[in-house]
Amino acid sequence: EVQLVESGGGLVQPGGSLRLSCAASGFTLSTFWMTWVRQAPGKGLEWVANIKQDGNERYYVDSGKGRFTISRDNAKNSLFLQMNSLRAEDTAVYYCARAGVVAGITPWDWGQGTLVTVSS
Amino acid sequence: QSALTQPASVSGSPGQSVTISCTGTRSDVGAYNYVSWYQQYPGKAPRIIIYDVSKRPSGASDRFSGSKSGNTASLTISGLQAEDEADYYCNSYTTSSTLVFGGGTKLTVL
Repeated sequence: EVQLVESGGGLVQPGGSLRLSCAASGFTLSTFWMTWVRQAPGKGLEWVANIKQDGNERYYVDSGKGRFTISRDNAKNSLFLQMNSLRAEDTAVYYCARAGVVAGITPWDWGQGTLVTVSS
Repeated sequence: QSALTQPASVSGSPGQSVTISCTGTRSDVGAYNYVSWYQQYPGKAPRIIIYDVSKRPSGASDRFSGSKSGNTASLTISGLQAEDEADYYCNSYTTSSTLVFGGGTKLTVL
């Protein structure tokens, strides 16, 4: 069974940093694109970043460029999102998602999310 | 990276059909057949119900169907049931190798 468990969320002051983790199990992480998606309270889904199987291609939402870094450790079955210079508008539930077996980059299986709150 | 355009809300009675549109541009919806749709209940993670415009994952109800014409994709839910009341999001791959979601549509079953 595919499982994705996010952690690392919490309350942080504006300008601060957080590192989110996503522990993957039930599949071989190295064979899938991985994605971070966020959802602000009461709002819609927003794609944040994704990373290719070998980590050599990474893409970011415009608002995250220069502040967010997506990375992965395939040997440890883990996905990460380093977030720096956090702003109030980064407050959201952050989901990690695995691409589908038959749908190359499309987010398929999702974790339950971790809440990030940016506030003083 | 503008969000795809979806109606904020749609509604229908049990047994009826509803269609949710998702309008993008030639750089996303119109560029590839990589449109997916997600169902989300309050407080829950999204669940994929359509991928590659019109394909259904195993386990997804056959009452869900997808299509695309030009820069607009559509999700049709036939034979509405109370359990279909949820938020629905479209998603597309883009020519910049990014992904973009629609703003979401709240479906109310009357």
